[in-house]
Amino acid sequence: DAGVTQSPTHLIKTRGQHVTLRCSPISGHKSVSWYQQVLGQGPQFIFQYYEKEERGRGNFPDRFSARQFPNYSSELNVNALLLGDSALYLCASSLTVEVWYGYTFGSGTRLTVV
Amino acid sequence: QKEVEQNSGPLSVPEGAIASLNCTYSDRGSQSFFWYRQYSGKSPELIMFIYSNGDKEDGRFTAQLNKASQYVSLLIRDSQPSDSATYLCAVNLGGGADGLTFGKGTHLIIQP
Repeated sequence: DAGVTQSPTHLIKTRGQHVTLRCSPISGHKSVSWYQQVLGQGPQFIFQYYEKEERGRGNFPDRFSARQFPNYSSELNVNALLLGDSALYLCASSLTVEVWYGYTFGSGTRLTVV
Repeated sequence: QKEVEQNSGPLSVPEGAIASLNCTYSDRGSQSFFWYRQYSGKSPELIMFIYSNGDKEDGRFTAQLNKASQYVSLLIRDSQPSDSATYLCAVNLGGGADGLTFGKGTHLIIQP
């Protein structure tokens, strides 16, 4: 069984550019969440989507947006990139919006902003 | 503001000993608690979840929860060098809308 797949694995962007990160959840999972992990820190919650609707949002600026498609895959978009956006971006998959049993994380996209 | 506190370490434990990792959280409404293991350069991997006071055992791992003290811990028995990693504690209010709040993680080193 395929796990959570994310693409690309690595990305280098210039300040001010835009980036799109992609995620496919585990088959049968309808919820996708996005997290940002800066080096030396724990992951920080950005968004949760369930059944194509945003169900939760963390404390991130409006430069960050996301969407979920009918096949439950998801995109995270970040506009006007800043150096501080350099991080590992993690996609998490779960059956439903409830997280009683935890998430399964993808391998992440490492974004470097120069 | 919800906070999850962990000692960043490094915590050094001899091979075969018990490793004890601790975590405190600030939000009394937190209902579910998780331990993730993260190897360097990799993504977090779920080890245990717990939502009732007391102990929960799974193989060499035991999670302990004390909601009155707002404290959750992870014990690793018979520690192996492959257990060397960063251990992340995470909490959730019970629904999914707020996501998980993670601590900064404890770096565990198992000395052969």
